[in-house]
This record gives sequence, structure tokens and C-alpha cells, in this order.
Amino acid sequence: EVQLAESGGGLVQPGESLRLSCEASGFSFSNYWMHWVRQAPGKGLVWVARIESDGSGPIYADSVQGRFTISRDNAKKTLYLQMNSLRAEDTAVYYCARGLPYYSFFAYWGQGTLVSLSS
Amino acid sequence: DIQMTQSPSTLSASVGDTVTITCRASQSISSWLAWYQQTPGKAPKLLIYKASTLEDGVPSRFSGSGSGTEFTLTITALQPADFATYYCQQYDSNPLTFGGGTKVEIK
Repeated sequence: EVQLAESGGGLVQPGESLRLSCEASGFSFSNYWMHWVRQAPGKGLVWVARIESDGSGPIYADSVQGRFTISRDNAKKTLYLQMNSLRAEDTAVYYCARGLPYYSFFAYWGQGTLVSLSS
Repeated sequence: DIQMTQSPSTLSASVGDTVTITCRASQSISSWLAWYQQTPGKAPKLLIYKASTLEDGVPSRFSGSGSGTEFTLTITALQPADFATYYCQQYDSNPLTFGGGTKVEIK
């Protein structure tokens, strides 16, 4: 059974950093492109970042470019999102999602982890 | 960036109704469109990809159609479990973008 489990969310202050993790199981992690998608409270889904199977080709939404870094450790079957210089508008549930190479729709999602920025 | 516009934003319906949700892309995305269902507090669930291909395990009362810039999701004979929010997503080009969502609520 495919499973994705995010962790690392929490309450932080603007300007601080946080690293999210997404542990994968039940599939060959190193064969899939992985993504982060976020959802602000009561709002819609917003794609954040993608990384290819071998860790190459990371791309980002403009809103996080230069502040967030997506990475992966295929040996540990874990996806990461390093979030720096956090802003109030980064408050959201962050989901990791599995995509196919070149076909980035998402059949599998984690349960999400909440990142809250305190004012 | 490709903008995805869903309509309506809210839809009131009864069990047994047939409902249709529309998703329009700001430029052609061929058939590179997915539909998701989300219930409160849960992750989205993939319903349809490549505009009309039903994901394994998804009931056949869900169907998708369209290509280019206009797409529809139809739910035939609405069931209680179908009251949820639905999102379209284009995967033709980066950045990936989602529609704003359509909430299907009980009339």
C-alpha cells in the first residue's frame, strides 16, 4: 500500500525556518517525481514545488522561489521541504504528493502537516 | 502561468441529482487535466486524469470530458458521499495550477 506521511509542521514566527519531511512507503520511491502542494485555511490548493526522481530539476512556484528548497533522499525514501524566511501567507497545510515522470497529476497524497505563522 | 477557472463556485443539489462542474483554462492544455474531490480535513482524492480517464476504484457515476480549454466533470445520481469540494488541475505546463474549487452542498 502506497503511503506518504508528512511531519515537521508547527507554529513559527515570521522570518523563521522550518523543514518538512515526507516519508514514503509501499512503492519504489526513487522512480517517481515528488511534489509539495499547500492549502491555506479555507482556501484552495496551490502547487509549491517539484523534484525529479533523481533529485534533479527542482522547480518552484514564484511565491516561494528563493525561500524554499525541495530535496529528497532516495535511500531514506524521504522528501523534504526546507522553508526559510517564512511569511504570514505561508500559513497552510502542506501536502506531499506523488507524481509520474512528466505527468504531474497526483494519485497519492499524504495527510498533510500544518504550518502556522504567528503574528 | 495558465489560469484555471471553475464554475460555479458553489452548487446546491439533492441526492440523486446529476451535476456538472466546468473548468476553463486560459490557454490550451490539450487533455492534460485532472479532477480531485476533497472533503473537510482530508487530502484530495484523484477522480479523473487526462480529462476523461477514471482513476481505479472511482465509481462510474463520475465522468470527465473536454479538451483544449474547456472541461467538465459530471456526477450522475449524486450520492451522500459526493457532497464535497472539487478541484481541477492542469499539468500541461509549469507551474501546475488548480482551479479555485467547486463546493457541492446539500440543497
